[in-house]
Amino acid sequence: DVKVTQSSRYLVKRTGEKVFLECVQDMDHENMFWYRQDPGLGLRLIYFSYDVKMKEKGDIPEGYSVSREKKERFSLILESASTNQTSMYLCASSPSPSDYNQPQHFGDGTRLSIL
Amino acid sequence: RKEVEQDPGPFNVPEGATVAFNCTYSNSASQSFFWYRQDCRKEPKLLMSVYSSGNEDGRFTAQLNRASQYISLLIRDSKLSDSATYLCVVGPYFNKFYFGSGTKLNVKP
Repeated sequence: DVKVTQSSRYLVKRTGEKVFLECVQDMDHENMFWYRQDPGLGLRLIYFSYDVKMKEKGDIPEGYSVSREKKERFSLILESASTNQTSMYLCASSPSPSDYNQPQHFGDGTRLSIL
Repeated sequence: RKEVEQDPGPFNVPEGATVAFNCTYSNSASQSFFWYRQDCRKEPKLLMSVYSSGNEDGRFTAQLNRASQYISLLIRDSKLSDSATYLCVVGPYFNKFYFGSGTKLNVKP
């Protein structure tokens, strides 16, 4: 079974702090994704990566950056946290950009509160 | 216009009922379709892929209608444990997949 592990289930930070959310997958997947999920808005893609050191902006990248130094690890960074970034953050992975019939597998999610 | 749209519900049905959800998508070039299930405050989990000819997994049947650009999920003999939010997923568009906002199902005793 694919295992996607997010570093924290719950996190509370203050406005202006730099926040790191970590995600690790153990299936040698090439694709990794960061989403946020808010009531009524569904899952929205922040950034994704299809290879080490590669990153692509999703639909809502503003205020975020990412890092993929190793294939198994994809980090989401909130450069200067703001209250409107309070949300559930979900990391996902899937095998390969060319194998689009394979589904994404999600981590447990991180509930981030910015005070 | 959203890439993927779902009726948010909730659908309130008695145990044993048959219930169906639809999900419409806007990009006719879409190649891959999935249904996920999400329990309250949990991550989405894959329920089933949707194949062109339709497919079944136990009490669950998924279908694709390319002409009208929608996918459907049919649940037969609903169980209390089927209560959840069901998300449809469509793509890829330049390696991205789009999730619907979900349809909430409540199965009542």
